[in-house]
Amino acid sequence: DAKTTQPPSMDCAEGRAANLPCNHSTISGNEYVYWYRQIHSQGPQYIIHGLKNNETNEMASLIITEDRKSSTLILPHATLRDTAVYYCIVREEGGGFKTIFGAGTRLFVKA
Amino acid sequence: EPEVTQTPSHQVTQMGQEVILRCVPISNHLYFYWYRQILGQKVEFLVSFYNNEISEKSEIFDDQFSVERPDGSNFTLKIRSTKLEDSAMYFCASWQGTYGYTFGSGTRLTVV
Repeated sequence: DAKTTQPPSMDCAEGRAANLPCNHSTISGNEYVYWYRQIHSQGPQYIIHGLKNNETNEMASLIITEDRKSSTLILPHATLRDTAVYYCIVREEGGGFKTIFGAGTRLFVKA
Repeated sequence: EPEVTQTPSHQVTQMGQEVILRCVPISNHLYFYWYRQILGQKVEFLVSFYNNEISEKSEIFDDQFSVERPDGSNFTLKIRSTKLEDSAMYFCASWQGTYGYTFGSGTRLTVV
């Protein structure tokens, strides 16, 4: 089962930052935090991942607390196309480890 | 940007028939996966495949399911005798070792 807890849904105004929280209090030292999203019925899309340092790419920023028990995905300027289900996943880095998807957070970006 | 390609996008089959879902992973990726998503439910892991063999499979992946990489490029999922409850979106994914998985756009399987 998924090792993370996320709110089932959130709203965000278009153009504002969307901050999606995730709790992963049982994360182990060699587990990374991954974020994916799924727009409608499309395949999940990788967004970002990190171990303990904050990470940023062209899509989003990932803030991981110092104790690594929680994290926040930040979409700096949400658009209507960012409406999707966002999944926070913890797993070891490596291809041999399966990725388990939970229910995620359904983000609604409103005009 | 490289893509994972899945065909067909939609398949309708009679209960009890065999279906083969096809995937072309990204060429330099080493790990391959199948997931499924029943309408309105979570994305569920089925199987992972590395070095031409299954590395892990879920309880869902029973004897009715099989995977193979017949020609070094295609990656297929076969369901031998489909049931109504096999109706779902099936996603193929591949991974090369650095970022996250790259998923295909899926095959919607409808068993009637």
